Amino acid sequence: QVQLQESGPGLVKPSETLSLTCTVSGGSISGYYWSWIRQPPGKGLEWIGYIFSTGTTNYNPSLKSRVTISVDTSKSQFSLKLSSVTAADTALYYCARSSLPKVDPWGQGTLVTVSS
Amino acid sequence: QTVVTQEPSFSVSPGGTVTLTCGLSSGSVSTDFYPNWYQQTPGQAPRTLIYNTKTRSSGVPDRFSGSILGNRAALTITGAQAEDESDYYCVLYMGSGLWVFGGGTKLTVL
Repeated sequence: QVQLQESGPGLVKPSETLSLTCTVSGGSISGYYWSWIRQPPGKGLEWIGYIFSTGTTNYNPSLKSRVTISVDTSKSQFSLKLSSVTAADTALYYCARSSLPKVDPWGQGTLVTVSS
Repeated sequence: QTVVTQEPSFSVSPGGTVTLTCGLSSGSVSTDFYPNWYQQTPGQAPRTLIYNTKTRSSGVPDRFSGSILGNRAALTITGAQAEDESDYYCVLYMGSGLWVFGGGTKLTVL
């Protein structure tokens, strides 16, 4: 079965760029939509954006100016970059497959703290 | 921007039945929105309960069911158990690959 695993720095300084990678195993990355989702501590889930395996992307309008999602099909990975981060970007970041009819499976999540 | 609405909190007695709902700030939810429902306990990733309105994920007890009730998606727990005390989230498909999450419902079983 398909499994996802997030990786990347757990601490990022304010104004810098947050970078995370999601590795897909147990199945193909091709032909599917892949999303990033985040959850600030004690708050709800927020969809960040998706990438299709061919490279097509779409982002949450509230984050669009700061977000870039890319894919490397040869490594079965897709990545998130979020620029100019502030404390408000501190959150658990999840990656997930998001092809109809469901957003599933999910990775276990990785906590990113923005602090100097 | 479309807002997906959920009850902030709900409470149910052990053995009771509760229905959580998922609506839109403007318009009605239908099967075209492919409602998904998730259960999340503290420190854990969301667990998929229901997708495509009413399809139960593998291993999900049949006391959880999904439907469309009026103009909202619904998650019904029949015979609630103490272990069902969790946060519940819905997500709706808005087209063009876009999904929007509801704000979540905190369910208390007491």
